[in-house]
Amino acid sequence: SQQGEEDPQALSIQEGENATMNCSYKTSINNLQWYRQNSGRGLVHLILIRSNEREKHSGRLRVTLDTSKKSSSLLITASRAADTASYFCATDAGGYSTLTFGKGTMLLVSP
Amino acid sequence: ETGVTQSPTHLIKTRGQQVTLRCSSQSGHNTVSWYQQALGQGPQFIFQYYREEENGRGNFPPRFSGLQFPNYSSELNVNALELDDSALYLCASSLEIASYNEQFFGPGTRLTVL
Repeated sequence: SQQGEEDPQALSIQEGENATMNCSYKTSINNLQWYRQNSGRGLVHLILIRSNEREKHSGRLRVTLDTSKKSSSLLITASRAADTASYFCATDAGGYSTLTFGKGTMLLVSP
Repeated sequence: ETGVTQSPTHLIKTRGQQVTLRCSSQSGHNTVSWYQQALGQGPQFIFQYYREEENGRGNFPPRFSGLQFPNYSSELNVNALELDDSALYLCASSLEIASYNEQFFGPGTRLTVL
């Protein structure tokens, strides 16, 4: 079953604009991670935020986590055509490092 | 590149057959997890192996089984293939089983069951 739900399902923007994707989840978590997937291939880890953190930055990425609302957001600033991909949030709630993924947001960045 | 490889890249099988998918983890990574990703969906956890023992399992039937070897390679075996088994199968390796360890994903094997 899917734990997280990303919103929107699809997002289309122009290069240079910011892209915001949201994730909601159902149960308590140890951490939440964001991944990128290009054209149905392997997943690339973007950023991990622990349950006791509220905000984290990595390059053009900014992630926020609100555990009271069980939600997270991923902001990509100054987007590029190369950012075109599917983005997934994944939650880690167990004692071992298994991840529960949402259905993803498809991001299309047009030149 | 994550340093995790999978073979084959694509595979076509017919219903009822058996299939073995292979994964080579990063050297030193003791944990490997397998995920199934149906078209348009997020990956779903199948099972995890830690030091050659199954360490956890998702909601998949026993016809999905696995092996992990001392040389950081692993296998996913699926018996009695069904049409719904058509999916991208991903393996991910991590250093240890602690939840904060980053998982490194391979490029996946796309399985089509006819």
